[in-house]
Amino acid sequence: GDSVTQMEGPVTLSEEAFLTINCTYTATGYPSLFWYVQYPGEGLQLLLKATKADDKGSNKGFEATYRKETTSFHLEKGSVQVSDSAVYFCALTLTSQGGSEKLVFGKGTKLTVNP
Amino acid sequence: NAGVTQTPKFQVLKTGQSMTLQCAQDMNHEYMSWYRQDPGMGLRLIHYSVGAGITDQGEVPNGYNVSRSTTEDFPLRLLSAAPSQTSVYFCASSYMGMNTEAFFGQGTRLTVV
Repeated sequence: GDSVTQMEGPVTLSEEAFLTINCTYTATGYPSLFWYVQYPGEGLQLLLKATKADDKGSNKGFEATYRKETTSFHLEKGSVQVSDSAVYFCALTLTSQGGSEKLVFGKGTKLTVNP
Repeated sequence: NAGVTQTPKFQVLKTGQSMTLQCAQDMNHEYMSWYRQDPGMGLRLIHYSVGAGITDQGEVPNGYNVSRSTTEDFPLRLLSAAPSQTSVYFCASSYMGMNTEAFFGQGTRLTVV
């Protein structure tokens, strides 16, 4: 079935380090791809998205490119800050057989950035 | 702007008790859904609704009921709580369409003892 696989955490980095969180997907159709972020004690919020192949989503210094050939949507940031410490979820949406959309999440990757 | 409001934030239940988790949104979104978040499992879809009067099952629906009598509200009912239902529950809403952003409530942390 449709699924999202993202790298296992936790990831611990020093401030100003480069971040990559890998995400690959399996889907029968042409999904839209998302990264959501969950800060401690809060619900999820959208970080960025890409809706078709070769699109690049970007926000708050984070970037991810929709790669259809490798079915990937890796999250990157050139210089992380302590305030980026959170759990990051890769997700996709597809239209199900019944015609409604479903949002499917990866298991999440916890990032801790130390000063 | 309230967004998605979940109540309560915390709840402790005894095995066999029933309760309703409330979810309300003020954005006129058609699509609403409930997820549970467990360590190492990510978010798993319990039930969802594409509009008032229409609900469907997600990945892990057993032990939960939902109804959608209005666009704004989407309560989740636990009929007979079990320790396996100890989790953090999130309600989300969005407009219909694959490219739309989902808005999440702050979550309900439920413990069943």
